[in-house]
Amino acid sequence: QKEVEQNSGPLSVPEGAIASLNCTYSDRGSQSFFWYRQYSGKSPELIMSIYSNGDKEDGRFTAQLNKASQYVSLLIRDSQPSDSATYLCAVRGTTTGNQFYFGTGTSLTVIP
Amino acid sequence: KAGVTQTPRYLIKTRGQQVTLSCSPISGHRSVSWYQQTPGQGLQFLFEYFSETQRNKGNFPGRFSGRQFSNSRSEMNVSTLELGDSALYLCASSPGAGTATNEKLFFGSGTQLSVL
Repeated sequence: QKEVEQNSGPLSVPEGAIASLNCTYSDRGSQSFFWYRQYSGKSPELIMSIYSNGDKEDGRFTAQLNKASQYVSLLIRDSQPSDSATYLCAVRGTTTGNQFYFGTGTSLTVIP
Repeated sequence: KAGVTQTPRYLIKTRGQQVTLSCSPISGHRSVSWYQQTPGQGLQFLFEYFSETQRNKGNFPGRFSGRQFSNSRSEMNVSTLELGDSALYLCASSPGAGTATNEKLFFGSGTQLSVL
């Protein structure tokens, strides 16, 4: 079992719609969770971090965390073509030196 | 504040050669991590250095090595290159000794290595 799992997609949504990206993790003790956005040919860029159960909103982005279900999600409201990218879920583990584990990413395309 | 700087941006090598990649972290960050990214495998953790010591290591062969200098700059070396080493190599820095809520990874632009 991988430490972090994401649906690889691709996920396509029309412009203005809500895009929903999901991630599950295996280390029940993990406390820190992150979403990175990676445009084609570019490096990952941190867009959200979340540490407590519930929702955290930042502009059009909302991260949701459910530690009991070991589930993290990212909602993108009013999706724009510029949101088209691969979204990586990352979890900071509690063993082996608190290493960061990354999912393989979900490719999102926003259709104008 | 300057971001994470990686050099070179592109490298072309042949099998059997060795290569050294460089990473300068964000000022004040003491932890530097290296990742290999390929289309099929995603981001694979290579190793992490903190205060000149390797603190964490992924599952890569001994051909992959690294070091960190007193100014927190880090280098990664790959010896006896193989075709499968072709990948984007990403360096990420973080404060390294903070609380869980401020340990975030910030990535450099990466070095695209092609092995022919």
